[in-house]
Amino acid sequence: GENVEQHPSTLSVQEGDSAVIKCTYSDSASNYFPWYKQELGKGPQLIIDIRSNVGEKKDQRIAVTLNKTAKHFSLHITETQPEDSAVYFCAASTAWNNDMRFGAGTRLTVKP
Amino acid sequence: NAGVTQTPKFQVLKTGQSMTLQCAQDMNHNSMYWYRQDPGMGLRLIYYSASEGTTDKGEVPNGYNVSRLNKREFSLRLESAAPSQTSVYFCASSEGTGSYEQYFGPGTRLTVT
Repeated sequence: GENVEQHPSTLSVQEGDSAVIKCTYSDSASNYFPWYKQELGKGPQLIIDIRSNVGEKKDQRIAVTLNKTAKHFSLHITETQPEDSAVYFCAASTAWNNDMRFGAGTRLTVKP
Repeated sequence: NAGVTQTPKFQVLKTGQSMTLQCAQDMNHNSMYWYRQDPGMGLRLIYYSASEGTTDKGEVPNGYNVSRLNKREFSLRLESAAPSQTSVYFCASSEGTGSYEQYFGPGTRLTVT
């Protein structure tokens, strides 16, 4: 089955700096790659997703890039703010597969 | 809309006890899921229901059973709890399976002693 690895496990940045989280996946059939943000005591919430027919997607300060050849995708957060502090999870699945696999998570801390 | 709701929020069980975690969604979603979240391991799928009347095993189904009671409700049952089942459990729902956004509930923190 699919295996998703996520790095780093923790990331600390200064407010205003950029943050990058990287994930690799093993199943070349995967074609859907969402990113979830989990705040303390809450369930994960989708912040951005990308499908395999595009290489990059942007939504304000958040962007995701996908390299299908290398089987990796990354989350980029620019101009970080303290409210960006949370745990971020990447995931991968196929359009026909119900078993979405998640990475182990990255705890992002943005220092004021 | 309340979204996805879960009960209880916290539970402590003794080894061998049973319990049912309840989940309901009000978004008219077809698909529902149960995950467990353990430190350093992300979210792992226990069971899912692609549509009302169907259930299937996920990555870690052993020791659990599920029931899709109707389109809104999807319950997770631990028949004989074990310390290895200490975890945070999340229910989620989506319009369909595969490449649809999943909406998560607030979670149930379960401790088995």
